Amino acid sequence: QKEVEQDPGPLSVPEGAIVSLNCTYSNSAFQYFMWYRQYSRKGPELLMYTYSSGNKEDGRFTAQVDKSSKYISLFIRDSQPSDSATYLCAPRMDSSYKLIFGSGTRLLVRP
Amino acid sequence: NAGVTQTPKFQVLKTGQSMTLQCAQDMNHNSMYWYRQDPGMGLRLIYYSASEGTTDKGEVPNGYNVSRLNKREFSLRLESAAPSQTSVYFCASSEALRGPQETQYFGPGTRLLVL
Repeated sequence: QKEVEQDPGPLSVPEGAIVSLNCTYSNSAFQYFMWYRQYSRKGPELLMYTYSSGNKEDGRFTAQVDKSSKYISLFIRDSQPSDSATYLCAPRMDSSYKLIFGSGTRLLVRP
Repeated sequence: NAGVTQTPKFQVLKTGQSMTLQCAQDMNHNSMYWYRQDPGMGLRLIYYSASEGTTDKGEVPNGYNVSRLNKREFSLRLESAAPSQTSVYFCASSEALRGPQETQYFGPGTRLLVL
């Protein structure tokens, strides 16, 4: 079993839709939960991160962590074609440098 | 401010050939990393360097060597390339190895095809 699981997609939605991207993980020691966005043929870029459980909002993006069920979510409101990319979750432990990347979910927002 | 740069962008090798992937960062970061990305596998850490003069193995180091030439540059060498090393390679850097400032910034990647 992989430490971090993501549905590879692709997830195709119309412009303006609310998007929900999800990860599950197995290691209860994870404390930081990163979301990276990767455009086609580019390197990943950090979108946002949360520490421990709870929600964090940044513009149209909301990251949510439920440590009791080991479930991570990223919500995108009013999705735009420019949001079309692969989204990677990457949790890590407080005491470690090591990011454990999910395989990514490809999102396509149709105009 | 270019961030993290990688050369070459694309390379084709024959089995058994050697090559070095170059990475440089201009953010004065202490830590640098090499990852490979394969379909369905996510990014996997090959080697990392916590600071100038130190390097350590990551999750998949076999078949690779690294050199932290100075604070800016971190190279990845394939001594004898194998088809299993066909992948996209990403270099990343962060201010520190651990702590709140350890956000990793990635380069644009090198696509390597080994025939």
